[in-house]
Amino acid sequence: GAGVSQSPSNKVTEKGKDVELRCDPISGHTALYWYRQSLGQGLEFLIYFQGNSAPDKSGLPSDRFSAERTGGSVSTLTIQRTQQEDSAVYLCASSLDQGAETQYFGPGTRLLVL
Amino acid sequence: GENVEQHPSTLSVQEGDSAVIKCTYSDSASNYFPWYKQELGKRPQLIIDIRSNVGEKKDQRIAVTLNKTAKHFSLHITETQPEDSAVYFCAARGGRGSTLGRLYFGRGTQLTVWP
Repeated sequence: GAGVSQSPSNKVTEKGKDVELRCDPISGHTALYWYRQSLGQGLEFLIYFQGNSAPDKSGLPSDRFSAERTGGSVSTLTIQRTQQEDSAVYLCASSLDQGAETQYFGPGTRLLVL
Repeated sequence: GENVEQHPSTLSVQEGDSAVIKCTYSDSASNYFPWYKQELGKRPQLIIDIRSNVGEKKDQRIAVTLNKTAKHFSLHITETQPEDSAVYFCAARGGRGSTLGRLYFGRGTQLTVWP
């Protein structure tokens, strides 16, 4: 079956612009996770959803970052007034539910803020 | 919250040799420890995992060991091949409250296998 998909695969934007990143989890997976991977770094947790609710928003780096998930499926991560330090690969993962252990990753969106 | 430390950050081995990557974690409630392999420009792929009720798990040339008392776990790759070259990440799964289900990742180990 189809895996986790993300779009766009690459995004170049100017400092100060807003961007929206999309994640489409594996069908039937109710848990969805967003991570950020800066160059040469590990995966930094941003936020996760169980269904449409986000019990843990502690990883969002600033109030310029927000995420939503409607219909229990697709999620969008929005970064407002982008800064150069936002440049990174944004990875999405999904799992069957919050209790399921295995997380399956999407290919990521490579964001470059000029 | 959980804190995962991973060492070494880079590792070079000759083809056929073994490679060992070590991780420590801080939260005794963590109960699941996956290892992901990420090739350049690709998504992280789960290669092996271990649960807190098991001390060791093997899958062909890959093995993972877990010491709950010491809160550390290790990845062992035997008979390394050039295609094993990648960045390897360890992770610990939060086991309580709002951290349940969340993966805490190490910073990664760049493994290079020379032919």
